[in-house]
Amino acid sequence: EVQLLESGGGLVQPGGSLRLSCAASGFTFSSYAMSWVRQAPGKGLEWVSVISGSGAGTYYADSVKGRFTVSRDNSKNTLYLQMNSLRAEDTAVYHCAPRETTRRRALDPWGQGTLVTVSS
Amino acid sequence: DIQMTQSPSSLSASVGDRVTITCRASQSISDYLNWYQQKPGKAPKLLIYAASSLPSGVPSRFSGSASGTDFTLTISSLQPEDFATYYCQQTYSNPDTFGQGTKLEIK
Repeated sequence: EVQLLESGGGLVQPGGSLRLSCAASGFTFSSYAMSWVRQAPGKGLEWVSVISGSGAGTYYADSVKGRFTVSRDNSKNTLYLQMNSLRAEDTAVYHCAPRETTRRRALDPWGQGTLVTVSS
Repeated sequence: DIQMTQSPSSLSASVGDRVTITCRASQSISDYLNWYQQKPGKAPKLLIYAASSLPSGVPSRFSGSASGTDFTLTISSLQPEDFATYYCQQTYSNPDTFGQGTKLEIK
C-alpha cells in the first residue's frame, strides 16, 4: 500500500524558514516525479512544485520561485520542501503526491498534509 | 500559464440527481485533464485521469468527457457520499494548474 507522510509544519514568523518532509513507502520512490500542492484555509488547491525522479529537474510556481527549494533523497524515500522568506500568504496545508506518468501525470495518492502557519 | 475555468463554483443537488461539472482550459491540453474529489478535512482523491479514465475502485457512476478544451465530470446518480468539492487539474504543461473547485451540496 502506498503511504505518504508529511511532517515539519508548524507556526513560523514572517520571514522565517521551515523544511517540510514527505516520507514515502509502498512504491519505487525513485521512479516517480513528486509534487507539492498546498491549500490555504478555506481555499482551493494550488500547485507548488515538482521534482523529477532523479532529482535533476525541478519546477516551481511563480508564487514561491526563489524562496522554496524542492529536493529528494532517494536512498531515504523522502521528499523535501525548504521554505524560506515565508509570508502570511504561504499559510496552508502542504500535500505531497507522486506524479503518475502513465496516467497523464495525475497525482495519486495524496498525503494527508502538514499545516504551515505564518504569523507573528 | 494555462488557466482552468471551472463551473459552477457551487451546486445544490439531491440524492439520485444527475450532476455535471465543467472545466475549460485556456488552450489545448490534449487529454491531460484530471479530476479530484475532496471531502472536508481529507486529502484530495484522484477520481478521473486522462479526461475519461477511472482509477480502480472509483464507482462507475462517475464519468468524464472532453470536447476540445472543454471537459466535463458527470455523476449519473448522486449518492450521499458524493457530496464533496471537486477540482479539475491540467498536467499538459508546467505549472500544473487547478480549477477553482466546485462544492457539491445537498439540496
